[in-house]
Amino acid sequence: DIQVTQAPSSLSASVGDRVTVTCQASQDISNYLNWYQQKPGKPPKLLIYTASTLEAGVPSRFIGSGSGTDFTFTITSLQPEDVATYFCQQCDDLPLTFGGGTKVEIK
Amino acid sequence: QVQLVQSGAELKKPGASVRISCKASGYTFASHLIHWVRQAPGQRPEWLGWIDAGDGETKYSQNMPGRVTIDLDSGASTVYLDLSSLRSEDTAMFFCARDRASKWKSFSLDYWGQGTLVAVSS
Repeated sequence: DIQVTQAPSSLSASVGDRVTVTCQASQDISNYLNWYQQKPGKPPKLLIYTASTLEAGVPSRFIGSGSGTDFTFTITSLQPEDVATYFCQQCDDLPLTFGGGTKVEIK
Repeated sequence: QVQLVQSGAELKKPGASVRISCKASGYTFASHLIHWVRQAPGQRPEWLGWIDAGDGETKYSQNMPGRVTIDLDSGASTVYLDLSSLRSEDTAMFFCARDRASKWKSFSLDYWGQGTLVAVSS
């Protein structure tokens, strides 16, 4: 199975700050990585697919980058509604696997 | 609009089985895979398997060998997840989710059901 390691597990930042989350795959997955946002009691919401493509309707402050084994997810200007847990997910091979999540809070 | 509506919460005893439904609407049902994902409290999501709603082909995670079955009722645009030999550690929220791609496999999950809580307790 492809392991996906996400960091940090939690962070606290101020409104307007730039926030960065990383995801590392255990093998080369090209650009086959997605990012999801999950709020308490809700299902995950797809934000970015194939590493850098923004899903329709998702604000442009969410940016994904990377390829191979190392990926980055950035919120360019943190907003109060961005409080959530963010997960990466590799979509290169079965079984699909998710990172451990990053809980983002407002300072 | 695309919607996936799941059946309600279940309370089961260890050793029992559970069947969860996921009714799709708002798109061409046969054109997309449906995946099942579970998430234990405070944990990362875990992929369980998918079914091709066009031809019924299935693929399962090997982490729960022989315990997971996914099938469908095309006429009702509904996908089912069966989980057998339940144990306490199966307590989780179960989600169905649509594969983003039409008529191929992207393994990116763009629409999700609201979730079905399965609690296993004696």
